Amino acid sequence: QKEVEQNSGPLSVPEGAIASLNCTYSDRGSQSFFWYRQYSGKSPELIMFIYSNGDKEDGRFTAQLNKASQYVSLLIRDSQPSDSATYLCAVLKNQGGKLIFGQGTELSVKP
Amino acid sequence: DTAVSQTPKYLVTQMGNDKSIKCEQNLGHDTMYWYKQDSKKFLKIMFSYNNKELIINETVPNRFSPKSPDKAHLNLHINSLELGDSAVYFCASSQGPGGLGINEQFFGPGTRLTVL
Repeated sequence: QKEVEQNSGPLSVPEGAIASLNCTYSDRGSQSFFWYRQYSGKSPELIMFIYSNGDKEDGRFTAQLNKASQYVSLLIRDSQPSDSATYLCAVLKNQGGKLIFGQGTELSVKP
Repeated sequence: DTAVSQTPKYLVTQMGNDKSIKCEQNLGHDTMYWYKQDSKKFLKIMFSYNNKELIINETVPNRFSPKSPDKAHLNLHINSLELGDSAVYFCASSQGPGGLGINEQFFGPGTRLTVL
C-alpha cells in the first residue's frame, strides 16, 4: 500500500463547476497535510495546508481533513481553465520534515 | 526576488560524467531539501539539511552527495551518472524541519537532468 494515494485522473470538469480532489494516507499518526499545484514543466506550488479535522477555506479552495478516515480532500469552486494542472497531496512525516507525496491528480477544466 | 533558485535549469550529459546542481534560498529558512521527480511525475525526497546538518538521507545511491556550505545553500553532486538518473531535481526550503506552522516547503524551479 502506498503511503499517500490519489486518483491519477485525468479529472475533467466544466468551467464554473466544483472540482473535487481526493487523497488517502496510511500513517494514522500524520499531523500535517498539504496540497500543491504543479503546472506542466513548472515546480510544485503550495496552495493549501491543513492540520485540524474539518474544513479550511482560502478563496475558491477548501481543504477538508478527516483523520479518523485518513482522508484529505481539496475542493476548487468555480473552476477556471487556469486551474488545469496536476494537484499533489503531501503528508508530513514527523521525522525531519519529510514530505511524502501522492502520485498527483491531473485536473482539466474545459471552457 | 526569486525565493528558491537552482542552476542550471537544464543539464544534458553523458553516462559516467560527474555533475553538480546548485540551490540557493533567500527566504531566511533553516531547512533545505532535494527531491527527484521521475518521468511519471512522482516526487520523492532525497535529502534534507537543517542549518547545514543532514537530517534526512533517503535510500539514494552514494553517487549522490549533498553539500551545504551554509544554511542558504544546498548543492547536489552526482558522480558516475547513469541513464536512470535522468529526472527533474527540485530543491525546496522551509522555515524548519517539523512542527506545525513552520514546515511549509517552497520549491525551486527545478533542474531537468538528461543522461545520454
